[in-house]
Amino acid sequence: DAGITQSPRHKVTETGTPVTLRCHQTENHRYMYWYRQDPGHGLRLIHYSYGVKDTDKGEVSDGYSVSRSKTEDFLLTLESATSSQTSVYFCAIQGTGVGNNEQFFGPGTRLTVL
Amino acid sequence: KQEVTQIPAALSVPEGENLVLNCSFTDSAIYNLQWFRQDPGKGLTSLLLIQSSQREQTSGRLNASLDKSSGRSTLYIAASQPGDSATYLCAVGGSQGNLIFGKGTKLSVKP
Repeated sequence: DAGITQSPRHKVTETGTPVTLRCHQTENHRYMYWYRQDPGHGLRLIHYSYGVKDTDKGEVSDGYSVSRSKTEDFLLTLESATSSQTSVYFCAIQGTGVGNNEQFFGPGTRLTVL
Repeated sequence: KQEVTQIPAALSVPEGENLVLNCSFTDSAIYNLQWFRQDPGKGLTSLLLIQSSQREQTSGRLNASLDKSSGRSTLYIAASQPGDSATYLCAVGGSQGNLIFGKGTKLSVKP
């Protein structure tokens, strides 16, 4: 357990509404990631952060934005949710220390967009 | 573009059997390779991490090998148990730590 929590754990929303998912970590890790998992596609990277206010795009970033104003929180926002964004969203952190680049995942958020 | 393939997609074995799960990747310029386990409806649990300079890692009944030149990794599970039933995911790491995942092998170990 790397001290990662995600909220909410489940959410149902309607097309066109904004949605924000939160990832919280307690161990001061520098690198944080957002992935989505879909049947037939596996896990794909949406955005990642390498420090406070430092973020970059991943493979499937269209329709998503992120923010990191504090080390412990990494927020993922769907500006205007679409049905194609129905998915399970996982947050991950990367271990700290020399040679310790193992990634640990949060419990996930199941998002349904109607 | 890096692509990760896991074969087979599903595997069913009797309890006690030794088994090998395969992972291949198209670009050998990786930083590391990580194996995960995922139970239905759950998150990912890290099993083993192999750095690009390493050839293998072991943890209990699990042994993972890495051959960068051929773009392959294997996860060996000894003396399989019903509790090993899960989906096993292979992921290769890039320069910013971003992971590229295979689609997994769903393992069923029957008592």
